[in-house]
Amino acid sequence: DAGITQSPRYKITETGRQVTLMCHQTWSHSYMFWYRQDLGHGLRLIYYSAAADITDKGEVPDGYVVSRSKTENFPLTLESATRSQTSVYFCASGTSGTANEQFFGPGTRLTVL
Amino acid sequence: GENVEQHPSTLSVQEGDSAVIKCTYSDSASNYFPWYKQELGKRPQLIIDIRSNVGEKKDQRIAVTLNKTAKHFSLHITETQPEDSAVYFCASVDQTGANNLFFGTGTRLTVIP
Repeated sequence: DAGITQSPRYKITETGRQVTLMCHQTWSHSYMFWYRQDLGHGLRLIYYSAAADITDKGEVPDGYVVSRSKTENFPLTLESATRSQTSVYFCASGTSGTANEQFFGPGTRLTVL
Repeated sequence: GENVEQHPSTLSVQEGDSAVIKCTYSDSASNYFPWYKQELGKRPQLIIDIRSNVGEKKDQRIAVTLNKTAKHFSLHITETQPEDSAVYFCASVDQTGANNLFFGTGTRLTVIP
């Protein structure tokens, strides 16, 4: 699915640093989502966006900031990274809300030392 | 918030046999139940979903059943093949509430040739 991409694919950072994970989709989907995947927890929704300039918290939003100035981009920022934010992060997009198919990006593996 | 429990966490079957994965949810208002498949190192992909106004849905070798009274739903895979080996995630969402998608913790299915 080349329609949704994430960068970087791998990132190592240190505690306290700011990190931004990028997500870009070419389908013009109105909805975009950020999840984190951890062993024993499955996938957990961090934030989602219904359209440009509209964002909403998910299940685990603390420590994260999102913005959506353009429909195709949905960056996720960790303002001050902590070790507990070590995870695999997936971006997804869809034509409708959470109750419809979501198309996932390839993921970003983030390690916070 | 919603609590989705998924069992078993691992499942091994012989090629050609059937596999069943079960999930329970806590929020009686939940009304959309997707199943995602994630192959090793890959992104999750939707394989089937069901809405609360339907009790069963089939797509070739895959079927999902929903029991709203008991608040559980199941994934059935018949005539399993080695390419069915993956981690499967169930999820649920309450469209009338916070609209968040909550995932189970996943089932690692191994199909033995």
